[in-house]
Amino acid sequence: GAGVSQSPRYKVAKRGQDVALRCDPISGHVSLFWYQQALGQGPEFLTYFQNEAQLDKSGLPSDRFFAERPEGSVSTLKIQRTQQEDSAVYLCASSSGTVNTEAFFGQGTRLTVV
Amino acid sequence: GQQLNQSPQSMFIQEGEDVSMNCTSSSIFNTWLWYKQDPGEGPVLLIALYKAGELTSNGRLTAQFGITRKDSFLNISASIPSDVGIYFCAGRNGGSQGNLIFGKGTKLSVKP
Repeated sequence: GAGVSQSPRYKVAKRGQDVALRCDPISGHVSLFWYQQALGQGPEFLTYFQNEAQLDKSGLPSDRFFAERPEGSVSTLKIQRTQQEDSAVYLCASSSGTVNTEAFFGQGTRLTVV
Repeated sequence: GQQLNQSPQSMFIQEGEDVSMNCTSSSIFNTWLWYKQDPGEGPVLLIALYKAGELTSNGRLTAQFGITRKDSFLNISASIPSDVGIYFCAGRNGGSQGNLIFGKGTKLSVKP
């Protein structure tokens, strides 16, 4: 596709449910990032993939958060046993990986945990 | 998590006014970026800065990478209504694929 595509756009989950958020990066982009954006805040880094390798997961807030990119293209962010504090917009970004080229962001998935 | 200090938090603009916002950090960054985010959308890159002291323009937007590498500013000249939105600064320490640290944003609104 032309840009980074995320689905679903909106997700309402009951506390304790598991959710899976999908990111389709720009075709050919080797680098993929996930960010979490709480209401009224800037995005905060969660994790980074280069192709299928997860090179940095230092931003994942707990072991309930898990991300994968098994074939080096589509990525899924999974949150187990959701809590109210997980409510946020989850942004995915991808880049070509070339020096001094920046990532393009998707529209995000707004997760509301009730 | 760690965030940059971005100011002002919000400001009202009248069409034609110049606007200025800035970002400071206690850490050194080797890249500074400025983004704009509209409601329901992801951030869109406006300007990227890669060298201390660098001054870069993109149309009516001008940004500078502070010489200490701990700050950056963004100026918008002759503002127009479509400039409203939230502007974020972001810094990066690592290589070109390192993670970004974002400020909390400056919200631009139109004066009533």
